[in-house]
This record gives sequence, structure tokens and C-alpha cells, in this order.
Amino acid sequence: DGGITQSPKYLFRKEGQNVTLSCEQNLNHDAMYWYRQDPGQGLRLIYYSQIVNDFQKGDIAEGYSVSREKKESFPLTVTSAQKNPTAFYLCASSRTVVGASNQPQHFGDGTRLSIL
Amino acid sequence: GQQLNQSPQSMFIQEGEDVSMNCTSSSIFNTWLWYKQDPGEGPVLLIALYKAGELTSNGRLTAQFGITRKDSFLNISASIPSDVGIYFCAGTFGNEKLTFGTGTRLTIIP
Repeated sequence: DGGITQSPKYLFRKEGQNVTLSCEQNLNHDAMYWYRQDPGQGLRLIYYSQIVNDFQKGDIAEGYSVSREKKESFPLTVTSAQKNPTAFYLCASSRTVVGASNQPQHFGDGTRLSIL
Repeated sequence: GQQLNQSPQSMFIQEGEDVSMNCTSSSIFNTWLWYKQDPGEGPVLLIALYKAGELTSNGRLTAQFGITRKDSFLNISASIPSDVGIYFCAGTFGNEKLTFGTGTRLTIIP
């Protein structure tokens, strides 16, 4: 079945440690996104990528980094510079990112990151 | 940037009741999307709207794209226990990225 796979489901980070969240899609979508969700709040955009080897900062990119070496993969690294990393992280994809007309985003099941 | 106000923030209803929620924008949109999120999972697309005045149904769910292009409504008829979750609206205009509302949490009282 086509879809978006995020791993791991739960992740724990020690102080000063970088951690990487995986996102893989087999929908042949060009665009991929990372969102952060805090309790009782909506989704905030961290980074997005319209095409391989290209990515753009979203609204809350500080303390995060991404790469897009393959069309199907868009890993997110939460660096030690992110002082409040505890949140639910959601990856999404769409056919393209230019306008959302007829190209809604589809989401993975998320990764919950906690600080030890 | 654009802002989306979604209301109500939470709803407590009895099974069988109808539900209404809405989103308003500070600027016009040309696409409205409605998602549902179950606990611990990612949002799932329910309905997509692409034209002002458009009324679209998906089973017991009906959504409308407001005539002013600044609002959208989602109605759920005859609610059932599996309707519990958080409902998000999202919208965009032109080449802008998708903007999400803050969600409406639906709870069904037995």
C-alpha cells in the first residue's frame, strides 16, 4: 500500500544530543514537509522540500536540520540547539507544493520525541 | 502571515447529535481542507474544497467553502463514537504554504 512511514514511533533524547527522525514515502510525491505539534495546538511548519536536493525553512526552523538526497526520503534532525524539543513530529507529502489545489498533503503517523 | 481561527476549541456532545464547526481567515483562500486526527496518529484528509460556495459531502460529513472565501464550515450529522478526535481546517492561497487552524476537539458523552 502507498503511504508515508515515520520511524521511530517514540524517541527519547538526552541533553546535548542530536537525534534524527525518519520519513519515507512511496507515493511518488515531489514535496515533503515536517511539522511540529504541541499539546492543544495546531501544526507548525519546520521545513519543507519541493524537490530532491532542495529544501526551505518553515516558520520554526531554528534548532532543526533536514536533507533531501532521495525523492522518497526526508529525514529531520533535532539538534542540541533546539532547547524545547519535546513534541509530536509529523511528516507529510504532496504531489507538489506550489498552491494546494488538488494536491492536499498526506500525513504519516508521527514520532513523539521526549527529553530524558 | 495568514491566520486561521477555528471554533469551537472543544465540543462535548451526545451520540446521535449533529456537530458544526468553522474556520475563518484574515485573508482570502482558494483552497480549504478539513482533516481529522485520532490520538497518537497523523491527520487524515476528510474533505477538500476548491471553489467559493462549494458544498461537498463525505458520508455523514459535509463541508462548505464560504462565499467570501474567508471561511469554511464542517458539519457532522448523527455523530457516532468513532467521530471522537481533533478536527483541523487548513487553507492556502496562490503559492502560499498551507496554514492550519488550531483544531476542534470533539468528545462524545455516552
